[in-house]
Amino acid sequence: NAGVMQNPRHLVRRRGQEARLRCSPMKGHSHVYWYRQLPEEGLKFMVYLQKENIIDESGMPKERFSAEFPKEGPSILRIQQVVRGDSAAYFCASSPPYYPHEQYFGPGTRLTVT
Amino acid sequence: AQSVTQPDIHITVSEGASLELRCNYSYGATPYLFWYVQSPGQGLQLLLKYFSGDTLVQGIKGFEAEFKRSQSSFNLRKPSVHWSDAAEYFCAVGAVNTDKLIFGTGTRLQVFP
Repeated sequence: NAGVMQNPRHLVRRRGQEARLRCSPMKGHSHVYWYRQLPEEGLKFMVYLQKENIIDESGMPKERFSAEFPKEGPSILRIQQVVRGDSAAYFCASSPPYYPHEQYFGPGTRLTVT
Repeated sequence: AQSVTQPDIHITVSEGASLELRCNYSYGATPYLFWYVQSPGQGLQLLLKYFSGDTLVQGIKGFEAEFKRSQSSFNLRKPSVHWSDAAEYFCAVGAVNTDKLIFGTGTRLQVFP
């Protein structure tokens, strides 16, 4: 059973470009979470999604960031007009139905904005 | 608001020595508690979790943690550390009324031969 998959693993963008991060949850998992880890810090919650629904986006910056989890395909975290402060590791986690706190993490996407 | 404190930023131990990593949480009710380990450049691996019941929880790789309600603590322990245990360790708390996890800032473990 494959774990949570994220791609790309590393992404370099120039300021002003768009970054698109993908996450495929574990088989049988219907909940997806995105977290951001800034250098030398712990993970901070960004958004929680189920298929076609955003359940909790209380950690998402108000501008430039969006997330989706379509009926088919991976979850996508999109950052428009990236700035240097967006440089971080972005982790996706998934959990099975009825056990939302049992979260399994992917390897992360390390975004560098130049 | 919920919060997690890991007072030790960096710990160094000798291989074979015992280990205890501290974690304190702030939450009104009984929380769900987790320990994760992160190797450099990698994602997080779940070591163990506490939801309810026995307050001493066994995890993978020989780790255990004890929930102490009176101290609001969930410290991670291992009786004999191996060099491969060198990594960053994160304590996290979840709550009944929210599905997100709140993470501490982590403790970096260094193991000397």
